[in-house]
Amino acid sequence: AQTVTQSQPEMSVQEAETVTLSCTYDTSENNYYLFWYKQPPSRQMILVIRQEAYKQQNATENRFSVNFQKAAKSFSLKISDSQLGDTAMYFCAFMRTSGYSTLTFGKGTMLLVSP
Amino acid sequence: DAGITQSPRHKVTETGTPVTLRCHQTENHRYMYWYRQDPGHGLRLIHYSYGVKDTDKGEVSDGYSVSRSKTEDFLLTLESATSSQTSVYFCAISEFGSNTEAFFGQGTRLTVV
Repeated sequence: AQTVTQSQPEMSVQEAETVTLSCTYDTSENNYYLFWYKQPPSRQMILVIRQEAYKQQNATENRFSVNFQKAAKSFSLKISDSQLGDTAMYFCAFMRTSGYSTLTFGKGTMLLVSP
Repeated sequence: DAGITQSPRHKVTETGTPVTLRCHQTENHRYMYWYRQDPGHGLRLIHYSYGVKDTDKGEVSDGYSVSRSKTEDFLLTLESATSSQTSVYFCAISEFGSNTEAFFGQGTRLTVV
């Protein structure tokens, strides 16, 4: 079974600064997907960024980028130029691609961006 | 936005009563999932489906059953609701392709009193 660990229950950052959220995972799979999802107070789950394990290049989406270290099983999210709208719960998630696919989540990190 | 809807959005029910939550998709995705979200626990998988009539248990399946008689519908049933099942329930769908991701419904807040 896969496990996903987010060791930071809460984080704070000031507007325009950079923050990094940590995520580690445990799996015996070689091919898989990793995701960061954002959940604002509206409760909607929004995909922030996706990484395919077979790709060595780190994924980027505008102000969001990841540091994917496959050997270390680490998948951190960096948010640059933080904005008030980035305030949300962030979930790291793992999706296996072999057999039957399930999506396993970490417990989440609450990010508060202050003016 | 992906076509996935949950119903109802909110429900209050009494202990011991049966409850069914519905997830409907218009994307023809193979995989459908039911999660519950509780503070401090993230999202935990209850059951999932990988095709019509093909379902399997997740990590917190006790007290829940599911059915998928059509590709587009995935039902979650609490046979006899308990207060510990008070939670927010999310349905999700996924399919492998060039932009693999899971799409989520809006969530259902269930309160068992």
